Amino acid sequence: GDSVTQMEGPVTLSEEAFLTINCTYTATGYPSLFWYVQYPGEGLQLLLKATKADDKGSNKGFEATYRKETTSFHLEKGSVQVSDSAVYFCALKTGANNLFFGTGTRLTVIP
Amino acid sequence: DSGVTQTPKHLITATGQRVTLRCSPRSGDLSVYWYQQSLDQGLQFLIQYYNGEERAKGNILERFSAQQFPDLHSELNLSSLELGDSALYFCASSLSGRTGELFFGEGSRLTVL
Repeated sequence: GDSVTQMEGPVTLSEEAFLTINCTYTATGYPSLFWYVQYPGEGLQLLLKATKADDKGSNKGFEATYRKETTSFHLEKGSVQVSDSAVYFCALKTGANNLFFGTGTRLTVIP
Repeated sequence: DSGVTQTPKHLITATGQRVTLRCSPRSGDLSVYWYQQSLDQGLQFLIQYYNGEERAKGNILERFSAQQFPDLHSELNLSSLELGDSALYFCASSLSGRTGELFFGEGSRLTVL
């Protein structure tokens, strides 16, 4: 079945450090891929998405590229800020199926 | 503000009791989803409705039930509550349920004592 495997957390970085959160997927069809972010005390928000191979999603300085050959959708940001501290969820959707979420990776950025 | 409203925000109850969680979707959205978020199991999909009809069912226990009303709001009913049901319950909505772009409410935190 469809599934998403996310890098285990928590991740702690200093401000302005480079961020990578790994995400790989297993899917029978051609999934759309998403990153959602959950700030403390809030619900999840869509951060970025990619709907086909080689697409790059980007938003708020975050990027992720849909790599079909490695079945990956790693989240990156060149310089993190304290305000980026949150839990990040990788997710996939195939056809009419529902959105499957990874287990989430907690990021803490320290000044 | 996502436009999705969930009530109550916090709820404390005892084992064996029954509670109802309510969700109002974003204006214009026809599809409503319920998710359970617990510390040990991450974000689990429970059920989805589209325009009043059940569209998909996930890991929803038989003690739980849900419905979507003609005005598109939804309720999740949890009965015979157990300690393990303590979790954050999220409602999300989307226009069609086809794209994977969901708008989440802030959640209802249920504590079962």
